[in-house]
Amino acid sequence: QKEVEQNSGPLSVPEGAIASLNCTYSDRGSQSFFWYRQYSGKSPELIMSIYSNGDKEDGRFTAQLNKASQYVSLLIRDSQPSDSATYLCAVAGFQKLVFGTGTRLLVSP
Amino acid sequence: EPEVTQTPSHQVTQMGQEVILRCVPISNHLYFYWYRQILGQKVEFLVSFYNNEISEKSEIFDDQFSVERPDGSNFTLKIRSTKLEDSAMYFCASGPTDTQYFGPGTRLTVL
Repeated sequence: QKEVEQNSGPLSVPEGAIASLNCTYSDRGSQSFFWYRQYSGKSPELIMSIYSNGDKEDGRFTAQLNKASQYVSLLIRDSQPSDSATYLCAVAGFQKLVFGTGTRLLVSP
Repeated sequence: EPEVTQTPSHQVTQMGQEVILRCVPISNHLYFYWYRQILGQKVEFLVSFYNNEISEKSEIFDDQFSVERPDGSNFTLKIRSTKLEDSAMYFCASGPTDTQYFGPGTRLTVL
């Protein structure tokens, strides 16, 4: 059974700070990893995908992958109150995504 | 920008009734999925659909559930005899590969 673990939070950061969100996964053979943002009562919104070890940057977001440690992270630079949401880590299995429980991020003005 | 759409946004039904949840995936996507999220819990995979057949399903997706692609655009999830524990948000997703884009969801309430 593939597992994806996240700290449920909340993670509280002040506006303008860097938010660091972490995720570990159990299946060493996993190849594709995704971060989604979910506002309360809404559907998951894709932020980034990452497939190779190292960093991948997209605007204020940086995803980091370390397959040896089975660890994925998401950094949000210059955090804004509008970034307050639950961030879901997802790992691709065969024809499906396995989600973590999500980390709730609160960005205070 | 193309989006996955779902109808209805909210469905209320009595226990034991059949419900059909509808989705229109993004037009050039080949893979279609249904997930559900019980209030306060994680997003759970139900079923994936490719080339007009189920390619993977979870333990949740038992004989009470079925999926269809009745025409070139719609993708449906049917629950034959709803239970109280089927109350959840149901999300349809589609993708060209393993990247998946989610629709806005249908909130199913079983009374």
